This record gives sequence, structure tokens and C-alpha cells, in this order.
Amino acid sequence: AQRVTQPEKLLSVFKGAPVELKCNYSYSGSPELFWYVQYSRQRLQLLLRHISRESIKGFTADLNKGETSFHLKKPFAQEEDSAMYYCALNQGGKLIFGQGTELSVKP
Amino acid sequence: GAVVSQHPSWVICKSGTSVKIECRSLDFQATTMFWYRQFPKQSLMLMATSNEGSKATYEQGVEKDKFLINHASLTLSTLTVTSAHPEDSSFYICSATLPNSGNTIYFGEGSWLTVV
Repeated sequence: AQRVTQPEKLLSVFKGAPVELKCNYSYSGSPELFWYVQYSRQRLQLLLRHISRESIKGFTADLNKGETSFHLKKPFAQEEDSAMYYCALNQGGKLIFGQGTELSVKP
Repeated sequence: GAVVSQHPSWVICKSGTSVKIECRSLDFQATTMFWYRQFPKQSLMLMATSNEGSKATYEQGVEKDKFLINHASLTLSTLTVTSAHPEDSSFYICSATLPNSGNTIYFGEGSWLTVV
């Protein structure tokens, strides 16, 4: 069955520290993966998609098919990065979301 | 700018009443839209796939008679929560795929439903 797993519910780091939000997936076929961010009381926003291989707000994510992972990384966290982060798998337009990880960046 | 819009942003209704939430695609036609539900501190769960001109496809465990979906036009899908109960209180979010955008999925701003 298709599944997305984010093992950490909460990740707390200090400003300037590196961040890695973990995401593992289960999918038979070639996956299309995304990272979405949801700031407090705002709509879900697309942060990254693996096929574009771009860096947004300093975040990067590499698809590792061998490990079935799509971890989100940022070398130096900022306070404004504090938000909920969701990893998602595209299944024909509908998204299967992970449980989400709350990132808290402390000053 | 927003490409998918929802209305209302928040609504309070009494138990037993019905409430309708609209999802519109702005300046593009969406033959398919998706409805999600997000309880506080939880992830988004897909409820149903809204298909223009045909019946919606519901995910397992979602009551189709309780959550009525109508996709009568290419730019509008509606979700009606019938006979609402307090446990239906949630954040409801729709999405649509913008054509010719490399399958970019856009979300509406969401609708907060509180049933009292």
C-alpha cells in the first residue's frame, strides 16, 4: 500500500543549526514526492517537488529510491522556518500525506 | 496569486444542520478536484475525489451520504456536510491541478467548520 511516513512529530532546533526532516515512502512505481509547509493559520504551500530539484528558502530534498526516502534539509535554520511540514506522495493528482513534522526554531 | 479559492473561510453551525463549502478554480477549468479534512494537530486526510459531471469517489471510511459532493461545473465543486455533529468540526481543504503546469497541485485556503 502507498504510504508516507514522517517519524518525527516535533523537531526543535536552535537558530543557525542544521535541520533534517525525515520522510520515507512506500510506493510501487516511480514516485512523485513533495514537501508542503503550513505556517500558522495559513494555507498549505508547496515548498519542494522532487522532479524540480530546486532549492526554496534554503531547503533541499533528494529522492533516494534505494532508501525510499525524501528527507528535507536546510543547513542553517531560521526562526521564520517554524511551521508544520508535510511530505506528500502524488497518486494521480490526489496526495497521500505523511503525519507532518512540526519544526520549532528557537532563537 | 491564489488559483484555488474556498468559501467560506470559517463557519459555525448548529448540530443537525447542513453546511456547504465551495471550492473554485480561478481562471482555469478543473475536471477533478480533491477534498481533504484536517483535524487539529493532525495531517490532511483525503476524503473524496470530485469529478465534474459524475459522481464523486469517496475514500474508505468516508460517508458519502453525509459528505455530499457536487461538481456541476468545471470551476466549482461543493462539499455539503449534512446533519453536522460536533465531531465533524475540522479544517476542510480542497485542491486542484493547474493544467499545463507540470501537474502542480494548488490548495484552497481551507474552511474551518465548527459545529456547536
